[in-house]
Amino acid sequence: QQQVKQSPQSLIVQKGGISIINCAYENTAFDYFPWYQQFPGKGPALLIAIRPDVSEKKEGRFTISFNKSAKQFSLHIMDSQPGDSATYFCAASGYNTDKLIFGTGTRLQVFP
Amino acid sequence: GAVVSQHPSRVICKSGTSVKIECRSLDFQATTMFWYRQFPKQSLMLMATSNEGSKATYEQGVEKDKFLINHASLTLSTLTVTSAHPEDSSFYICSARVGGLANGETQYFGPGTRLLVL
Repeated sequence: QQQVKQSPQSLIVQKGGISIINCAYENTAFDYFPWYQQFPGKGPALLIAIRPDVSEKKEGRFTISFNKSAKQFSLHIMDSQPGDSATYFCAASGYNTDKLIFGTGTRLQVFP
Repeated sequence: GAVVSQHPSRVICKSGTSVKIECRSLDFQATTMFWYRQFPKQSLMLMATSNEGSKATYEQGVEKDKFLINHASLTLSTLTVTSAHPEDSSFYICSARVGGLANGETQYFGPGTRLLVL
């Protein structure tokens, strides 16, 4: 119940295309869903996050879509750029808890 | 704001020695810090939660006598890998929680420390 399942494991997108990464969870107590971007040899950096009271959140080229009934959320990267090539992790956290449960990660490669 | 640093960024040591990794919150006080381990091409696995002035809480399967955590001040937590062995080679990442309600939203990550045990 504590798992967050992430797919795909790897993704190759052409420059200018849309990158889509999906995550699913089981624990209905989760109420915070962030996405992290990690470059090789670096720590993860918060990209964008959403709470269940909204179905979509957009920040620049990055959009989170959230489906509470399906217990799924996804990251969309519009106009993907080579600089977006990194590993992306979804995560989830419950009310009044510090712990972040991470997905397995998606390695995104954007080719020019 | 909310910058977390780690030192060293990478360390190579011989098997059997101990290694200390520091995690500092540079511009805020962190009552809670977290230590993660990440193996190549894998996700982050939480090792322990460190609260200032109290004993760390370790996740199931993490040896507390091998991974010593000290959170002596509101800006510094240390992880000591005792009697390191090659299987301890990994990327160790800390994070710090900005004060307030316990919430995953307020966690900021350090840049990580690459440990290689020969």
